[in-house]
Amino acid sequence: NAGVTQTPKFRVLKTGQSMTLLCAQDMNHEYMYWYRQDPGMGLRLIHYSVGEGTTAKGEVPDGYNVSRLKKQNFLLGLESAAPSQTSVYFCASSYPGQYEQYFGPGTRLTVT
Amino acid sequence: AQSVAQPEDQVNVAEGNPLTVKCTYSVSGNPYLFWYVQYPNRGLQFLLKYITGDNLVKGSYGFEAEFNKSQTSFHLKKPSALVSDSALYFCAVRDGYTGFQKLVFGTGTRLLVSP
Repeated sequence: NAGVTQTPKFRVLKTGQSMTLLCAQDMNHEYMYWYRQDPGMGLRLIHYSVGEGTTAKGEVPDGYNVSRLKKQNFLLGLESAAPSQTSVYFCASSYPGQYEQYFGPGTRLTVT
Repeated sequence: AQSVAQPEDQVNVAEGNPLTVKCTYSVSGNPYLFWYVQYPNRGLQFLLKYITGDNLVKGSYGFEAEFNKSQTSFHLKKPSALVSDSALYFCAVRDGYTGFQKLVFGTGTRLLVSP
């Protein structure tokens, strides 16, 4: 099993450009999450999903949109990138009732 | 709101010595507590959790954590550190009583084990 995979691994955007980060998991997990990691701030939850077709806002959702059209995929979109969105983005997944989350390797995004 | 604090940005220890990475928590109700580790350029990996039961929880790679309700702490420990333990360690707490199990993470503690 590949676990949780993320594409791309690295990306540089100019301010105002858009992009989509893809997360895929092959563990049949119901729950999926998008986090951003910034120095000195730990991980902050952007959006999450409790199942196919459902999404919800986390702690820092502004400037991001998500979609969960298929159970195994969770997409994070930036419609108009800003320098404040320069960060490392992690996707994670888990089973209902189990608190362990399984993380992908991350996407390093730089917005200039 | 639930929260965790990791008071040390960095912990330095010599290989073979015991290590402790500190975490304190603030919750309403019973705490569900977790430790994760992040190696360079990798995602977080689950180490161990406390839900209920024995105050000493054993986890992966020889790590353990001690839950102390009176001190609201959940410190990560290992009797003998390895150079390969050098990584970023995150404490986390469950946010919310029922339903969706969101986690709230601390800011992380960098552990450096010197040979």
